[in-house]
This record gives sequence, structure tokens and C-alpha cells, in this order.
Amino acid sequence: AQSVTQLGSHVSVSEGALVLLRCNYSSSVPPYLFWYVQYPNQGLQLLLKYTSAATLVKGINGFEAEFKKSETSFHLTKPSAHMSDAAEYFCAVSEGNSGNTPLVFGKGTRLSVIA
Amino acid sequence: NAGVMQNPRHLVRRRGQEARLRCSPMKGHSHVYWYRQLPEEGLKFMVYLQKENIIDESGMPKERFSAEFPKEGPSILRIQQVVRGDSAAYFCASLQGAGELFFGEGSRLTVL
Repeated sequence: AQSVTQLGSHVSVSEGALVLLRCNYSSSVPPYLFWYVQYPNQGLQLLLKYTSAATLVKGINGFEAEFKKSETSFHLTKPSAHMSDAAEYFCAVSEGNSGNTPLVFGKGTRLSVIA
Repeated sequence: NAGVMQNPRHLVRRRGQEARLRCSPMKGHSHVYWYRQLPEEGLKFMVYLQKENIIDESGMPKERFSAEFPKEGPSILRIQQVVRGDSAAYFCASLQGAGELFFGEGSRLTVL
């Protein structure tokens, strides 16, 4: 069975500082990995995805993530935080080419950006 | 996320009443997933449906919850005899491809 662990339920950074949100996964088959962002009272929006191509994936709003198989990690980074980045971020895993299996989500990390 | 339409956005029910949540996937999509989000929790998978067929309902509570996706019309998540613990945000998503889900804005159920 797949699972996702997001380290840190709440991360606070200063505006302009590096953003690092951690995600570790467990999967018995080659995974597809995703990061979603959720703003208050809204649905989830896809930031980026890894589907077995390049291990460094670039997404929207300047975010990127690196798939590290040896570490079973898919951490999300952004070089310089902006106030508009304040939101909840969810890492998710699916069983890749095994079909349309449901995404399994982590519990989320709330990002606060301090002016 | 205008592509996936959910209604109502907010629903208030008293204990014992029924809640019906509707979801229309993106145009041309015939697969729908329902997830539930509780405060301080991630999204928990509930059910995966195709038109007229339930593919995976392993995340659905055994009692009071049901889901359907008829040939015509939206997918419906039905909760009978609601209890306070059912208060949550319920999200519908349609399958974009390569496992990627496209989410609606959610329906927020409050049980008084």
C-alpha cells in the first residue's frame, strides 16, 4: 500500500526566503508523485507532477521538486517566498502505470509567509 | 477549477437528515473520485466511479454513505442520517490523465 508523510504540519518563512516542504513516500511500484496547493475555501490545484521522466520537475509559480528514489523523497522548493504563496500544500502518490488507482495524500503542510 | 462543478458549495443539515452532494466532472470525462477532508487532515479517498459503475469504494464508510454516477446527470454522494462527525469538506475530482486529478471547489457540509 502507498503512503505519504509530510514532515511539519506548519512551516513559516520570511518573504524572499527559501521554501522547503518535505515529502516522503512509500510505494511498492514505481510511483507517480504530485504536489497540490489549496487556498482557503477552495479546491486543490496541481502545482507539479512526477511521472517517471526527468527527476527534477518544474511547476507553476516558481515551485520545483526533485524525485529521489534512494531517499523515497519528493521535496518541494521555491527559491524565494512570496506573500501569495501562503496556503496549504499536499503531497500525493499514485501507483503510476498500475492504472487509475486513487491518489493517496499526505496530511498537508500549512505555509505561512512573514513580511 | 471551473471545469469540475460541485454543488452546493455549503450545506447545513441537522442530525438525522440526509445530505446530497453533486458533482459534474470536466466535459468529456467519465471518471469521478470523491474525497473527504477533515480539519487538520489530508484528503481521504472515498470512492471512484465511472458512468453507471462503481470501480473502487474501499474508502466509503459501510453505513449511511452511498455514491452513484448515472448515465445522464451528475455524480451524487449521499449521506443518510447525518451525524456531527460527517461535517467536512467533500471534494470531487475528475481524472485528467497519468493519475492527475482535477478538483472541484468542494462542498462544505455542516451538521448541527
